Amino acid sequence: GAVVSQHPSWVICKSGTSVKIECRSLDFQATTMFWYRQFPKQSLMLMATSNEGSKATYEQGVEKDKFLINHASLTLSTLTVTSAHPEDSSFYICSARDYYQETQYFGPGTRLLVL
Amino acid sequence: DQQVKQNSPSLSVQEGRISILNCDYTNSMFDYFLWYKKYPAEGPTFLISISSIKDKNEDGRFTVFLNKSAKHLSLHIVPSQPGDSAVYFCAAITTGGSYIPTFGRGTSLIVHP
Repeated sequence: GAVVSQHPSWVICKSGTSVKIECRSLDFQATTMFWYRQFPKQSLMLMATSNEGSKATYEQGVEKDKFLINHASLTLSTLTVTSAHPEDSSFYICSARDYYQETQYFGPGTRLLVL
Repeated sequence: DQQVKQNSPSLSVQEGRISILNCDYTNSMFDYFLWYKKYPAEGPTFLISISSIKDKNEDGRFTVFLNKSAKHLSLHIVPSQPGDSAVYFCAAITTGGSYIPTFGRGTSLIVHP
């Protein structure tokens, strides 16, 4: 199946710093990318949807100034957690699909720990 | 209101037996369904999907059945293996719309040796 990578796989940072997470589609052009967050023992929570070249659409309750999403190319989307706080500690997962597919493929996830 | 429901949070099965994971949905606009498998601290892995124009799709040990009138789908794993132990998510999409999938809460499958 299609491959989606995320970098870094895990990150520890101090409170107040910003963290950037990259999501790349390796063997297809991702016209749409999704960013999810998963809390322990909970389902995936969709944070935002981004289409290449346009602004991301954020789900209700997700602060767009807090979680900056850029989908500048057909193979790369980035999520920047700005001024991270301990409550932002979570497992962030991206997924991607191309225009011709219904199936979206997930990255391996990024574990963020804010101290 | 949950549009995609996986009512069994967990399922325990003996190795070699069949695992049946169930998923119900309420939105009749959903026309494409997917199953993902997820290990802790990893991203979900796509397993199998089915379009609403079909009622069955098979891929190796995995078969998904769709009953549109009942708004119900199920994933069958035969034979179950210990490596199948994971959380399984059902997801539904409206292909004529946003393509944003709606996920169920997941079912944790444990396959005992």
